[in-house]
Amino acid sequence: EPEVTQTPSHQVTQMGQEVILRCVPISNHLYFYWYRQILGQKVEFLVSFYNNEISEKSEIFDDQFSVERPDGSNFTLKIRSTKLEDSAMYFCARGTPGGQPQHFGDGTRLSIL
Amino acid sequence: KNQVEQSPQSLIILEGKNCTLQCNYTVSPFSNLRWYKQDTGRGPVSLTIMTFSENTKSNGRYTATLDADTKQSSLHITASQLSDSASYICVVSDRTGGSYIPTFGRGTSLIVHP
Repeated sequence: EPEVTQTPSHQVTQMGQEVILRCVPISNHLYFYWYRQILGQKVEFLVSFYNNEISEKSEIFDDQFSVERPDGSNFTLKIRSTKLEDSAMYFCARGTPGGQPQHFGDGTRLSIL
Repeated sequence: KNQVEQSPQSLIILEGKNCTLQCNYTVSPFSNLRWYKQDTGRGPVSLTIMTFSENTKSNGRYTATLDADTKQSSLHITASQLSDSASYICVVSDRTGGSYIPTFGRGTSLIVHP
């Protein structure tokens, strides 16, 4: 049984549209992360989220991005106005009690047309 | 700037053979180093995690080493199996304040042939 479930598995969106990617950690944890992986490139850190607040974010995570844990269970990544270069795999991960990324979901493939 | 370099970029071996993957890093302040296995189309799965004081850690047929002085790590796979075919990613985290910031390597693509 996966530790982290991501939906949808594949999202196709027109450029300029908003997209919301979802992550459901099965058990209660405080630390969560979002990463992206552009095809053929390495995984890149986007943001870490601790106790319902952003704790760290990379330079990639600009004003177009936001994260929320709206209902205490789901963990979402929103991209407000998508660009072609946002096409990538987006991975959610939950962290250990010490705050280290441990269990990754299988990702959402985002395709911007 | 923190960097993680992995070699080789890709590797092809025969089933049953051993192999060693390399990771060099320049991450400061160092917190921990993880090796992940990423199957095609799946998320990374953690194999080992090592802190500054650990030199070797094993997980079944996987053995990771860490030399914190030279900032090098290796992942040794023993008696390879077809299911070992995957990308192996080295991730080094620094700890700035209370948060861990991971830096990912590009990974080594391993193909195991029967």
